[in-house]
Amino acid sequence: GAVVSQHPSWVICKSGTSVKIECRSLDFQATTMFWYRQFPKQSLMLMATSNEGSKATYEQGVEKDKFLINHASLTLSTLTVTSAHPEDSSFYICSAWTSPKNIQYFGAGTRLSVL
Amino acid sequence: DAKTTQPPSMDCAEGRAANLPCNHSTISGNEYVYWYRQIHSQGPQYIIHGLKNNETNEMASLIITEDRKSSTLILPHATLRDTAVYYCIVSSSNTGKLIFGQGTTLQVKP
Repeated sequence: GAVVSQHPSWVICKSGTSVKIECRSLDFQATTMFWYRQFPKQSLMLMATSNEGSKATYEQGVEKDKFLINHASLTLSTLTVTSAHPEDSSFYICSAWTSPKNIQYFGAGTRLSVL
Repeated sequence: DAKTTQPPSMDCAEGRAANLPCNHSTISGNEYVYWYRQIHSQGPQYIIHGLKNNETNEMASLIITEDRKSSTLILPHATLRDTAVYYCIVSSSNTGKLIFGQGTTLQVKP
């Protein structure tokens, strides 16, 4: 299958700081990328849909000013958690969709711990 | 997107076939059935997907009923490494959006 690289895999930060997570499709171009969040023992929750060159579409209840998404190229999307607080601690996962195959491939995830 | 219903957990003996059911009675004509799995603390892994016909790849087989209201994922020879949460999701190819439910936790036992 296609490879989606997510970096960093683990980050610890102080409350009030911002954290950027990168998501790259390594061997295919992805016009659409998605960002999910997963709390312990829960399922994945879709946060936003990111289309290359346009503004991200956020799911209901997700603060767009807190979770900044940039999708500047067909292979890179970034999620910035601004002014992170302990309640933002979670497992963040990105995915990239390849439309010819109609398959979404996922990154390995980023575990964020806010102290 | 249509909702799916899966049993919360299943056990399977190592080396035997694992048959994971999924109900999607409100599926629309343009919606695919996708199966992913998530091993603890990792991102979901794509397994297989289909629209109407049964599908098979190196990982699994997908059997979709004729009315498309339910499907079964078959892992032909389960190994301990197949222990994971398996998600059945229906989605339109137009959006690519996947909405995850609670999935089935498959425990493969020696």
